[in-house]
Parts: sequence; structure tokens; C-alpha cells
Amino acid sequence: DIVMTQSPDSLAVSLGERATINCKSSQSVLYSSNNKNYLAWYQQKPGQPPKVLIYWASIRESGVPDRFSGSGSGTDFTLTISSLLAEDVAVYYCQQYYTSPQTFGQGTKLEIK
Amino acid sequence: QLQLQESGPGPVKPSETLSLTCTVSGGSINSNNYYWGWIRQPPGKGLEWIGSISNSGSTYYNPSLKSRVTISVDTSKNQFSLKLTSVTAADTAVYYCARHAISSWYQYLQHWGQGTLVTVSS
Repeated sequence: DIVMTQSPDSLAVSLGERATINCKSSQSVLYSSNNKNYLAWYQQKPGQPPKVLIYWASIRESGVPDRFSGSGSGTDFTLTISSLLAEDVAVYYCQQYYTSPQTFGQGTKLEIK
Repeated sequence: QLQLQESGPGPVKPSETLSLTCTVSGGSINSNNYYWGWIRQPPGKGLEWIGSISNSGSTYYNPSLKSRVTISVDTSKNQFSLKLTSVTAADTAVYYCARHAISSWYQYLQHWGQGTLVTVSS
């Protein structure tokens, strides 16, 4: 299985400041034939299902605010929230869909400082 | 707007079989060879993909659960289902159904149901 490791486990950021969450995969999720990274980011608020924010490592899902961005390739990825809003308080997960079983990171809890 | 809704009989006793159904509305389960999946989340913990199925019945299962899991699809009812046998307390979780994006298993999970908590307890 590909192990997804997120850092940090929790993060407190002031409103309006930048939040950065990292995700590292135990093997590359870059498929050389199409040069795509099979990596997605999800946001989960309390009592709600996860919601996809980013796929192919850097493509924003329709309707996702542009303060959310994804970057990285191969085994190292980053989710950045450029200017934190109160509504961004949530747990964030990365996920690889490169191979079976699809696996998730352990989650990063984002709070307001 | 595609909607997915999980349903099931409620609490399950240890060693029994957990059965859940996901009803799809706002779209046909038969369209475009999408894959439909089950994911679970123990209380206060992270996400675990259980398995997925296409409208034609092709399946992918998590090897950690494969010996106990069966996922099936009923296109006439626009539903797909999960059966997990020989459950223990470790199977207590919120169970989500979801649809992969586009027509491939090698896709992220684009649409999710609200989830249903299944408790395994005697």
C-alpha cells in the first residue's frame, strides 16, 4: 500500500494568514504516461462528508475558492490556503488514487489562532 | 444535482453481517461507466477506502478487507450495496458511499453521501 503522511497533524493560523499543509507519499504517484499526479485534497467539516478541493495535485474542483491551491509532484505535495477565513476551519486529507488500495493521509486539523 | 444516500438496518452485533445500500438520485448509476465506492471513518479517526464497483460489476476491494467485503450494484433500482461479514467493534464507523470522477476507478471521489453511523455492539 502507498502510505500517505501529512504534516503537521494540527495547525493554528490567524485569520487572513497563509496556511500550508504537506503530504508525502511512500512512493511516487506520478504516472509518466500522462504526466499526471494522482493526488487529491479533501476538506471535512464536523458532521459532514469530505469535499474534494483539488485533484491531479493542482486542479481546483469547480466552485472551490481560488484561495485554495495545490502543488507538488512525485511524492511531495502541498495544500495552501492563501488567506484563511473562519469557514476554512476543518480537517484536511490528501488521497492517492494512483493504485489500489486508494489511501488517505491521517488528516490535518486546521484551527484559528 | 447528483445525490447519494446511505441506508441500513441500524446497529449490528459482533460476528454478524453489516449491510448498507446507497441510493443514487439526480443521475443514472448506469451512465458513463462510473465507479461507485464505499469509504468508512471510525469515530474521531481518518478515512479508509473499502472498495468500488462499476455499473457493469467490475470491482476493486481494499486487500485489508477483501475477505469480508462484497459490493454489488442494482442498476434497476439505481442502487449499490455493501456487505461486510464477521464484524467486530473495530468496524464501528461512519460509512460513506461516493462516486468516482469520470469513467475510471483511477479517479478521485467527487460526490459523497452524508454518511451513516454503524455501531457494532452486543
